[in-house]
Amino acid sequence: GQNIDQPTEMTATEGAIVQINCTYQTSGFNGLFWYQQHAGEAPTFLSYNVLDGLEEKGRFSSFLSRSKGYSYLLLKELQMKDSASYLCAVRDKGGKLIFGQGTELSVKP
Amino acid sequence: NAGVTQTPKFQVLKTGQSMTLQCAQDMNHEYMSWYRQDPGMGLRLIHYSVGAGITDQGEVPNGYNVSRSTTEDFPLRLLSAAPSQTSVYFCASSLGHNEKLFFGSGTQLSVL
Repeated sequence: GQNIDQPTEMTATEGAIVQINCTYQTSGFNGLFWYQQHAGEAPTFLSYNVLDGLEEKGRFSSFLSRSKGYSYLLLKELQMKDSASYLCAVRDKGGKLIFGQGTELSVKP
Repeated sequence: NAGVTQTPKFQVLKTGQSMTLQCAQDMNHEYMSWYRQDPGMGLRLIHYSVGAGITDQGEVPNGYNVSRSTTEDFPLRLLSAAPSQTSVYFCASSLGHNEKLFFGSGTQLSVL
């Protein structure tokens, strides 16, 4: 079956660095996505990894290890506006995009 | 470009009623999909389409029908609404099935 695991919630301090982990077991692998979702809003795209390694985009970076079925999203210089839910999603062999439950991040002053 | 447009934003139904959630995109995207989001469950795929005339089931298809007669539109039909279908529904599209998804603003559906 398909399984994507992420921590349910995390708390961090403004200005700090936080790492959100995601492990997956899916029917094949065609890429991993991270989305950000603020309360009451639609998800918005953050990053995409299809090859092993680190993708950096401003304050956000995402890492992938396909052999370990593992990814993480790294958020640097945290700001209050980064308080949101972070969704890990894997595209399986059939093309379906399957989401994890999401990690609720609270950034405190 | 309007992006992905979903209507309505809110809907209340009685058990057994039918309705259609509308979804349209103006980005000439081939891939379209419907998700539902429930607390603690994340986004779950209902149905998806890789192009006009082609649809397939996702993780939770029971109780829902879709069709894709044009590239732009991908309506979701509830034939006989049940309280278990109370949820927030999102339509999403992408240029190809390996591209990032663009989401509509969501529909909050309550079935009483």
